Amino acid sequence: AQSVAQPEDQVNVAEGNPLTVKCTYSVSGNPYLFWYVQYPNRGLQFLLKYITGDNLVKGSYGFEAEFNKSQTSFHLKKPSALVSDSALYFCAVRDPNFNKFYFGSGTKLNVKP
Amino acid sequence: NAGVTQTPKFQVLKTGQSMTLQCAQDMNHEYMSWYRQDPGMGLRLIHYSVGAGITDQGEVPNGYNVSRSTTEDFPLRLLSAAPSQTSVYFCASSLGQVNQPQHFGDGTRLSIL
Repeated sequence: AQSVAQPEDQVNVAEGNPLTVKCTYSVSGNPYLFWYVQYPNRGLQFLLKYITGDNLVKGSYGFEAEFNKSQTSFHLKKPSALVSDSALYFCAVRDPNFNKFYFGSGTKLNVKP
Repeated sequence: NAGVTQTPKFQVLKTGQSMTLQCAQDMNHEYMSWYRQDPGMGLRLIHYSVGAGITDQGEVPNGYNVSRSTTEDFPLRLLSAAPSQTSVYFCASSLGQVNQPQHFGDGTRLSIL
């Protein structure tokens, strides 16, 4: 079965510092991985997806994600955090066999001025 | 661009009542799904559909019914509301290809008294 794990419930970072939100995955076959962001009282918004062959994927709002096959990780990164990046972040995997999405438990990112 | 529209945004029910949560998308997406979001548990898949006339169960289908008579609409029915169904419900849609992300509505906040 496909699954993703987000080991950190919360990440705190100062504005201007780099940020990393961690995600590890367990899949059979090729991984179809995604990152989403959720602001208060809103639905999830797509940030970026893994494209086969690209170890560094660039997405919206200056975010990027680093894919590491040997560590089965897909960590979300940003070189310089903004206060407005404070939100809930979800990693997800799509199962191609059953066409279902599986989400991690979410990581709350707090960026302090 | 409407995207994914969910109605109502808020609802309070009494135990035992039934209701239907509406979801409509205008992107001609084949795939639609319903999730519930509870604190610390991420998003859990309730039901999903890969096209009109086709539905299947997700992780937590008990107490919920769905139907997909058109490509655009995917209503979720609570048969007999229970306090355990108090949650935020999200509808999402996507193209059928496995590398395509989901688009989410803004959610329905449901309280069962």
